[in-house]
Amino acid sequence: AQRVTQPEKLLSVFKGAPVELKCNYSYSGSPELFWYVQYSRQRLQLLLRHISRESIKGFTADLNKGETSFHLKKPFAQEEDSAMYYCALRAYSGAGSYQLTFGKGTKLSVIP
Amino acid sequence: DAGVTQSPTHLIKTRGQQVTLRCSPKSGHDTVSWYQQALGQGPQFIFQYYEEEERQRGNFPDRFSGHQFPNYSSELNVNALLLGDSALYLCASSLDRSGGYTFGSGTRLTVV
Repeated sequence: AQRVTQPEKLLSVFKGAPVELKCNYSYSGSPELFWYVQYSRQRLQLLLRHISRESIKGFTADLNKGETSFHLKKPFAQEEDSAMYYCALRAYSGAGSYQLTFGKGTKLSVIP
Repeated sequence: DAGVTQSPTHLIKTRGQQVTLRCSPKSGHDTVSWYQQALGQGPQFIFQYYEEEERQRGNFPDRFSGHQFPNYSSELNVNALLLGDSALYLCASSLDRSGGYTFGSGTRLTVV
């Protein structure tokens, strides 16, 4: 079974400081990984996915299969980045279906 | 495009009662997944519906059941409610075999 681990429940950084939100996964197959973000009083929304290799709002994430990690990074944090961040893994679960498994989330707080 | 819509937004029920939550998927999406998000936790997969059938199920008891209609909308039913069922219930829609999930704002269920 697949598992996603986000070791930090809360991460506080100062505005302008670099940010790294950690995500580790366990899955025997070829993973498809995502980062979702939930701003205060808003719905969960996709931030980025590893197969697109794009940068959204200055965030990037690289899949490291050797370390089974997919850490989210941003060089300079902004106050508007304060939110809950969830790492998720999409894996084939049989019968032609895929299942999205989430980590417990990391709350990012950017201090002005 | 309204995206994924869920109703109601909030609900208060008494232990032992039954509840039905509703979800309309994003236009063009044919697969609906339901998640339970307890306070301070990441979303937990309940089940997924495709072609009006339950295709995959997470680790939830049979008290949790669902349905998908020909127009792809879906319902989540929970019988014999327990206090521990209090959570935010999220619906996510996707196009079968596509990695893109769109989430609704959720239904906040409180069991007293």
